[in-house]
Amino acid sequence: QKEVEQNSGPLSVPEGAIASLNCTYSDRGSQSFFWYRQYSGKSPELIMFIYSNGDKEDGRFTAQLNKASQYVSLLIRDSQPSDSATYLCAVYNQGGKLIFGQGTELSVKP
Amino acid sequence: DAMVIQNPRYQVTQFGKPVTLSCSQTLNHNVMYWYQQKSSQAPKLLFHYYDKDFNNEADTPDNFQSRRPNTSFCFLDIRSPGLGDAAMYLCATSREAGSLNYGYTFGSGTRLTVV
Repeated sequence: QKEVEQNSGPLSVPEGAIASLNCTYSDRGSQSFFWYRQYSGKSPELIMFIYSNGDKEDGRFTAQLNKASQYVSLLIRDSQPSDSATYLCAVYNQGGKLIFGQGTELSVKP
Repeated sequence: DAMVIQNPRYQVTQFGKPVTLSCSQTLNHNVMYWYQQKSSQAPKLLFHYYDKDFNNEADTPDNFQSRRPNTSFCFLDIRSPGLGDAAMYLCATSREAGSLNYGYTFGSGTRLTVV
């Protein structure tokens, strides 16, 4: 079992819709959770982090964490073509390492 | 602006010819990391330095070495690159290890091609 799992996609949504990206993790002791956006050929860019159960909102982005289910998600409201990228879920595990999922490719169609 | 800088952006090397990738940071972060990312795969941690303390991942091949001569610079040495080492190499920093609230700051990456 991978430490951090994501659906690879591609996930295709129309412009203006809500994109929902999901991630599960195996280390129950993990404390911090991150979403990175990565454009093709570029390095990852931090979008949000969350460490408490519940929702955290920042502009059009909402991160959701459920530690009991070992599940974290990212919602993107009013999706724009510029949001088209690969979204990487990363988990800071008990070993003190940031472990990445393989990413979900998002495509927002005009 | 404070940042993490990787050089070069693109590196072409011959099979078996040693190559060095460099990373510098102006953030004064204590921890520096090297990740390898192959196409459509997750970034994979190779090793990290907490200050001068070197920490190697168990599955990092011996072909990969690293040096951190000072706080600002960190180098990745590939002693004998093989075709399977072609990847994007990402340098990242963090203020402290075990930071709950801080993600890593990444450099722009070096795309390595082995011919």
